[in-house]
Amino acid sequence: SQQGEEDPQALSIQEGENATMNCSYKTSINNLQWYRQNSGRGLVHLILIRSNEREKHSGRLRVTLDTSKKSSSLLITASRAADTASYFCATDARGAQKLVFGQGTRLTINP
Amino acid sequence: GAVVSQHPSWVICKSGTSVKIECRSLDFQATTMFWYRQFPKQSLMLMATSNEGSKATYEQGVEKDKFLINHASLTLSTLTVTSAHPEDSSFYICSAQRTETGELFFGEGSRLTVL
Repeated sequence: SQQGEEDPQALSIQEGENATMNCSYKTSINNLQWYRQNSGRGLVHLILIRSNEREKHSGRLRVTLDTSKKSSSLLITASRAADTASYFCATDARGAQKLVFGQGTRLTINP
Repeated sequence: GAVVSQHPSWVICKSGTSVKIECRSLDFQATTMFWYRQFPKQSLMLMATSNEGSKATYEQGVEKDKFLINHASLTLSTLTVTSAHPEDSSFYICSAQRTETGELFFGEGSRLTVL
């Protein structure tokens, strides 16, 4: 069963703008991760944030985590056409090995 | 870096036949592997957790006799779609959990089309 939901489901912005995607989940977690998937391809791991962390940066990526609201956001700054992809959050619930994915956001960067 | 290989990357088969998909961890041992299914424009749905040397744990609603999982070694798990039907057409993705660290690595996926 799906753990969480993401919004928006689809986002289209101009190159150079920032893109923000949100993810909500339902149960207590150990970690939350963000992945990117290009059409018809496998997943690329972007960033992992632990339940005791509130914010993390990696290059143009900024992830926040609010465990009280059971939500996370992914910000991509200065977007590029190559950032066009689907982005998924995934959580591993405490006590469980498995990784459960959100519904995903389809991001389109217009040149 | 750690690599997970899936084979075949795509397969087309006739309705009623069985198809086997392999998931291999190329340079690390994986006691646990996971199988996901992804329909077009949808998210990944966990099908089952595969543990080396024991029976797989299937998610609710996934038929274990339909989707046979074998994890006979620390580097290989296989998913066999038995008596495939057009509704089984999907993108199947595996992930392997590195035994020493718990890190997860994903394969590139296998696209199954059942005619």
